[in-house]
Amino acid sequence: GENVEQHPSTLSVQEGDSAVIKCTYSDSASNYFPWYKQELGKGPQLIIDIRSNVGEKKDQRIAVTLNKTAKHFSLHITETQPEDSAVYFCAAGSNYQLIWGAGTKLIIKP
Amino acid sequence: DVKVTQSSRYLVKRTGEKVFLECVQDMDHENMFWYRQDPGLGLRLIYFSYDVKMKEKGDIPEGYSVSREKKERFSLILESASTNQTSMYLCASVPGGMEAFFGQGTRLTVV
Repeated sequence: GENVEQHPSTLSVQEGDSAVIKCTYSDSASNYFPWYKQELGKGPQLIIDIRSNVGEKKDQRIAVTLNKTAKHFSLHITETQPEDSAVYFCAAGSNYQLIWGAGTKLIIKP
Repeated sequence: DVKVTQSSRYLVKRTGEKVFLECVQDMDHENMFWYRQDPGLGLRLIYFSYDVKMKEKGDIPEGYSVSREKKERFSLILESASTNQTSMYLCASVPGGMEAFFGQGTRLTVV
């Protein structure tokens, strides 16, 4: 079946450094690629998304890039801060249905 | 503000019990979803609903059923709880734009 692979499963970076999380998807019909952040004890919350007609999107310290030919997309967080510590999920899909990555636990070291 | 409310944060049930997990959204969204979340496996879709009284199986529907009698409420039912259904359950409500709004999750333990 269709799947989304997400790497790494855990990422530890020094506060102020950048963090990059990568996802690869298999369904070429996917046209919507969101990233969600899940803080402890809460449900996931959308932080940024990109559609297949766009190659890159940026929102302050967060950016997402999409390579449809290679079927991969990435989340970039610059100038990481303690509040960025969380689990991040990528997803890929269309028509309201999403396939989710396994998640990346991001740890920001002081 | 968008709000999706799950009835319980934590539940402990016995093997064989019938378990109801309730989810209510206040945004008049047509689409609602139930996921389970397990470490290393991400979010796996159990059931979803496009409208009142409509339901579709997701990737892992075995052992579960759902009910959607009103637009704002989507219930997940474990007919006979088993220990392998111990998990975090997440409900999501999705409008036309595809952004999913999640509830806070219900951590279910079956003993």
